Amino acid sequence: AQKVTQAQTEISVVEKEDVTLDCVYETRDTTYYLFWYKQPPSGELVFLIRRNSFDEQNEISGRYSWNFQKSTSSFNFTITASQVVDSAVYFCALIIGQTGANNLFFGTGTRLTVIP
Amino acid sequence: GAVVSQHPSRVICKSGTSVKIECRSLDFQATTMFWYRQFPKQSLMLMATSNEGSKATYEQGVEKDKFLINHASLTLSTLTVTSAHPEDSSFYICSARGHPFSYEQYFGPGTRLTVT
Repeated sequence: AQKVTQAQTEISVVEKEDVTLDCVYETRDTTYYLFWYKQPPSGELVFLIRRNSFDEQNEISGRYSWNFQKSTSSFNFTITASQVVDSAVYFCALIIGQTGANNLFFGTGTRLTVIP
Repeated sequence: GAVVSQHPSRVICKSGTSVKIECRSLDFQATTMFWYRQFPKQSLMLMATSNEGSKATYEQGVEKDKFLINHASLTLSTLTVTSAHPEDSSFYICSARGHPFSYEQYFGPGTRLTVT
């Protein structure tokens, strides 16, 4: 069975602080894809990153960075120098299978509030 | 990136009536479309998967007679909530995939349904 766990339901930080959102996944498949999405108050899902199971290289994009560790089945997301515009719900998600033909399994989301 | 639209963005209907939500892929042909439902402060739950020209596959617990899905063309899928009740009030999000073996899903902006 597939499962994505985001243990942090809500996080509040003061602007300019760094914050890490945790994501732990479960799957028996050796081929899978991991995603992070941002959902601002307006509701639309904003794609942030995709990682396949064979690429454990960490990635940095501006203030965002991702740490993928297969040994701990984690795909954590760090925002450096947080800003008020970062306030949103962040979802970690998983697609399994070689063809990627299956649906996305979403975690329960982490609501991030950045306080000015 | 690929664009997916949803219409309407918000709808209020009376209990017992039916409401149709459209999901369109604007710049690509969507072989598969997914319908998700999101209750307030909760994660996205897959309702059904629809492939163009065939019947939708519903997730366990989703009533196919209540949530009618039609995917008659490669750019349009519709979700009709029949005989809506207040408990059907939710945020409905569609996503579209352009290639059968692609892991990439493009999300619509969502439709907020309120049943009074």
